[in-house]
Amino acid sequence: QSVLTQPPSVSAAPGQKVTFSCSGSSSNIGNNYVAWYQQLPGTAPKLLIYENNKRLSGIPDRFSGSKSGTSATLGITGLQTGDEADYYCGAWDSSLSAWVFGGGTKLTVL
Amino acid sequence: EVQLLESGGGLVLPGGSLRLSCAASGLAFPTFGLHWVRQAPGKGLEWVSGISGSGSSTYYADSVKGRFTISRDNSRYTLYLQMNSLRAEDTAVYYCATYYGSGSFNSWGQGSLVTVSS
Repeated sequence: QSVLTQPPSVSAAPGQKVTFSCSGSSSNIGNNYVAWYQQLPGTAPKLLIYENNKRLSGIPDRFSGSKSGTSATLGITGLQTGDEADYYCGAWDSSLSAWVFGGGTKLTVL
Repeated sequence: EVQLLESGGGLVLPGGSLRLSCAASGLAFPTFGLHWVRQAPGKGLEWVSGISGSGSSTYYADSVKGRFTISRDNSRYTLYLQMNSLRAEDTAVYYCATYYGSGSFNSWGQGSLVTVSS
């Protein structure tokens, strides 16, 4: 059971917008920064968003991040088939003194 | 361009040991914290261990504390993970990653598969 909670799957059509939710607690998301990762099939994770809403250099502005309270959201607009991947949220957990991840959400672009 | 290349994975018996290495290039190695993150087959990401740039501070997940040891050789630009008393539940792809700060990891290796099975 992951410390951060993500829905297992989400789907949307090409060109549409999709959002991914990540729920935590005051010891992680509530008081620490959130990062988002994309993992394409068979590859290593790739950092997309850090410090809640900052895009890593080279990440298109179709990707955005936000945080409110103990939850965070990743958004992707203008969906492309190449966006099909697993998406993970992550944060430092002050109570566990550990870095924690969500279980991941699989994106299907219909 | 930062490159991280893991090696040392393989098949090991329960209770056995294995040492993973992560060779780095394209970065000022001694200035970066480095971490190991693993992914069991078909499962999500799990942080395993981390080490500061100087090597003076180390961090471990409860699941591996007392069994795994992280270290680094800044002269060789290499990160290590010594894994002892391995269990079936340690079976995973192990990734090394650079710490970007603020809880995020920005560069990842391709991963090294560790299989613990009799």
